[in-house]
Amino acid sequence: DTAVSQTPKYLVTQMGNDKSIKCEQNLGHDTMYWYKQDSKKFLKIMFSYNNKELIINETVPNRFSPKSPDKAHLNLHINSLELGDSAVYFCASSQDLSRDRHFGPGTRLTVT
Amino acid sequence: DAKTTQPPSMDCAEGRAANLPCNHSTISGNEYVYWYRQIHSQGPQYIIHGLKNNETNEMASLIITEDRKSSTLILPHATLRDTAVYYCIVTAPYRDDKIIFGKGTRLHILP
Repeated sequence: DTAVSQTPKYLVTQMGNDKSIKCEQNLGHDTMYWYKQDSKKFLKIMFSYNNKELIINETVPNRFSPKSPDKAHLNLHINSLELGDSAVYFCASSQDLSRDRHFGPGTRLTVT
Repeated sequence: DAKTTQPPSMDCAEGRAANLPCNHSTISGNEYVYWYRQIHSQGPQYIIHGLKNNETNEMASLIITEDRKSSTLILPHATLRDTAVYYCIVTAPYRDDKIIFGKGTRLHILP
């Protein structure tokens, strides 16, 4: 019954590796997002997708790339991981950009 | 940086109303006030939002001052499950790139 789900919940990996985080929503929403919450608890948007089109791309390194195989999924691929990428990553969805966001449980990424 | 100011922490007795203040003195005319909360180790949860009128839903009430420079989130009958960090955010519709969750208010509900 989970509305927005993410896998994995925890991810520990070494610098330089490539990893992916998966996100799925079963709410029928048209827009999905990726947020990053740093150690100071600031939560900032990274990407949003509306009907499979990237519509917001903050100043995020090119090593991060969102991929949406369909409206219900928005996966986050990260290449050449760096120590500073360690954070909690949240996926979210909404009916459209003006509506409230439904967040997933988060993925805690630790880069060693 | 976040455009809002909130107290870092508050305590409230279980069963009483929890009143969480937020200052947003630089709010623009088309910006809404949103409230989210984050329970430990979970994703943020939407609570309520408003433009200038007071709003109420099944979770909470939102009181916005007439000049819109501050607001108060009211949880009418706080329970232990309301213990969380509460974030006040101001943003215009369709401007998701401006949504930044600041440090919020850590609300402790005391039994």
